[in-house]
Amino acid sequence: QKEVEQNSGPLSVPEGAIASLNCTYSDRGSQSFFWYRQYSGKSPELIMFIYSNGDKEDGRFTAQLNKASQYVSLLIRDSQPSDSATYLCAGDTGGFKTIFGAGTRLFVKA
Amino acid sequence: DAGVIQSPRHEVTEMGQEVTLRCKPISGHDYLFWYRQTMMRGLELLIYFNNNVPIDDSGMPEDRFSAKMPNASFSTLKIQPSEPRDSAVYFCAISLGGRSSEQYFGPGTRLTVT
Repeated sequence: QKEVEQNSGPLSVPEGAIASLNCTYSDRGSQSFFWYRQYSGKSPELIMFIYSNGDKEDGRFTAQLNKASQYVSLLIRDSQPSDSATYLCAGDTGGFKTIFGAGTRLFVKA
Repeated sequence: DAGVIQSPRHEVTEMGQEVTLRCKPISGHDYLFWYRQTMMRGLELLIYFNNNVPIDDSGMPEDRFSAKMPNASFSTLKIQPSEPRDSAVYFCAISLGGRSSEQYFGPGTRLTVT
């Protein structure tokens, strides 16, 4: 069973701090990884994707991938209350099929 | 979710009734996905299409579920007969093709079966 595992949280950080969200995956064949943000009552929104080992930065967001450890993370710098949401980690399983983790709830306290 | 329209946004029905959920994606996509999300099971892929052809329906829970994509601009997910355990939010998502399956979700349909 191919899986993507996330700590369900909630993760609580103060405004302005760095939020670190982590994810592990079981399928060594996975090549592409994604982070989606989902506000309560809304649909998932793609915020980052990463294909290669290392870091990828986009504004306040940095995605990190370590294929040897089968580990993906998302760092959010200068966290804002508007970042409070559930963050879903996802990985492909070959082709265009994607497996989603259960999500980590993030609370940013003002 | 601007690129995908789903209807209805909310559906309440009684057990045993037929339910049809609709998805209208923007043009230019190659792939269309149907997902179900519940608190207990998270986001589950039900079926996906490539160029209107079903590729993988292994996530469809039972024969009560069926999906069609008669053209590139329209897809349906049908549940017949519906059961209370089908209550969930159903999302349609699209991928624009290319290297990877970056997906863009519609607003979802919240289904309640009583």
